[in-house]
Amino acid sequence: GAGVSQSPRYKVTKRGQDVALRCDPISGHVSLYWYRQALGQGPEFLTYFNYEAQQDKSGLPNDRFSAERPEGSISTLTIQRTEQRDSAMYRCASSLGGTASTDTQYFGPGTRLTVL
Amino acid sequence: AQSVTQLDSHVSVSEGTPVLLRCNYSSSYSPSLFWYVQHPNKGLQLLLKYTSAATLVKGINGFEAEFKKSETSFHLTKPSAHMSDAAEYFCVVIVSGGYQKVTFGTGTKLQVIP
Repeated sequence: GAGVSQSPRYKVTKRGQDVALRCDPISGHVSLYWYRQALGQGPEFLTYFNYEAQQDKSGLPNDRFSAERPEGSISTLTIQRTEQRDSAMYRCASSLGGTASTDTQYFGPGTRLTVL
Repeated sequence: AQSVTQLDSHVSVSEGTPVLLRCNYSSSYSPSLFWYVQHPNKGLQLLLKYTSAATLVKGINGFEAEFKKSETSFHLTKPSAHMSDAAEYFCVVIVSGGYQKVTFGTGTKLQVIP
């Protein structure tokens, strides 16, 4: 079956522009996670959803970052007024259950964001 | 608060020799521990996980890890390295219970020399 997909795979934007990154999880998966990974670092948790409810957004760096999952499936991570420090790989993962401590997370290929 | 320390950013082994990738953690709660692997130009894939059952956990491709609470460690091992094991490995600590806290280590790049 299809895995987690993310689009676009690469995004180059100019400082100050808004960007929207999309994640399409595995069908039927309850939980969806967003991570940011800087070069040479491990993924950093941003936020996660169970169904359409955003359970935790404590990892979002500031109020320029927001995420939604309106129908409990596809999710969009939006970065407003992008800055060069936002350049990173943005990864999405989904899991079947709603408990991160026991579930396997299935990761998408990521979106490489470059802000000029 | 919780944290994960992967003690080696790079490990190099010869094909056929044992692999040891070290991970130490800190958590105020009883954590679950995971190892994920990332091959070049691919997404992260689960290798194995410890979720409070047996402390010695076996994963895919011959990898295993042992949870040692007294040492706060969860080192990843494999008896004999294969060329296809060359990848980046991440140790992950997760706590759930009304909220979820996910913390990745900084990763260890494994090089396998033929």
